Amino acid sequence: DIQMTQSPSSLSASIGDRVTITCRASQSISSYLNWYQQKPGKAPKLLIFAASNLQSGVPSRFSGSGSGTDFTLTISSLQPEDFATYYCQQSYNNPLFGGGTKVEIK
Amino acid sequence: QVQLQESGPGLVKPSQTLSLTCTVSGASISSGNDYWTWIRQPAGKGLEWIGRIYSSGSTNYNPSLKSRVTVSGDTSKNQFSLKLSSVTAADTAVYFCARGVTLVPGILSFDSWGHGALVTVSS
Repeated sequence: DIQMTQSPSSLSASIGDRVTITCRASQSISSYLNWYQQKPGKAPKLLIFAASNLQSGVPSRFSGSGSGTDFTLTISSLQPEDFATYYCQQSYNNPLFGGGTKVEIK
Repeated sequence: QVQLQESGPGLVKPSQTLSLTCTVSGASISSGNDYWTWIRQPAGKGLEWIGRIYSSGSTNYNPSLKSRVTVSGDTSKNQFSLKLSSVTAADTAVYFCARGVTLVPGILSFDSWGHGALVTVSS
């Protein structure tokens, strides 16, 4: 079975910081990787699909990169509304989510 | 705009069957190339895919839950449902219904979600 490992599990950052979150698959999943943002008490929101494609309506400060086993979600300039938990999800076979990365205020 | 809404009992006794329904508006569960999906999240934990039903009526389930899960659709009401049998406290979670789409061919992502329904398993 494919395992998805996100790092870090949490991070503290300030407004305006560049933030990078990593997701690693235990085997190659090509570009079958999506990213979601979840705020407390809310459903996840799709940010990036197929590794690097920005979902409609998502601010351009969010970007995704990678293929194969290593993927990155980058927030170029952290905004107050970006404090949340972020999940990667592979769809190479049965959908599987990473463990999440909580982005907190420094 | 696609909207999804979960409904069902918020409390289920151990060993009984959890039943939830997702009502869809803005899209038809019986047409298109969408996968109507159930995902759950225990309090303070991550997301777990449970299973899905395709517009054709075919289903797929998480192997770890497969023996206890049934996802079905009611096209007359544009709803799909989840049944999870023999529940234990470990099944206590927020249950989300979601739409799976292939914005890039072959790559499934979840672009529309319900608000979530908390189901507690307790006697």
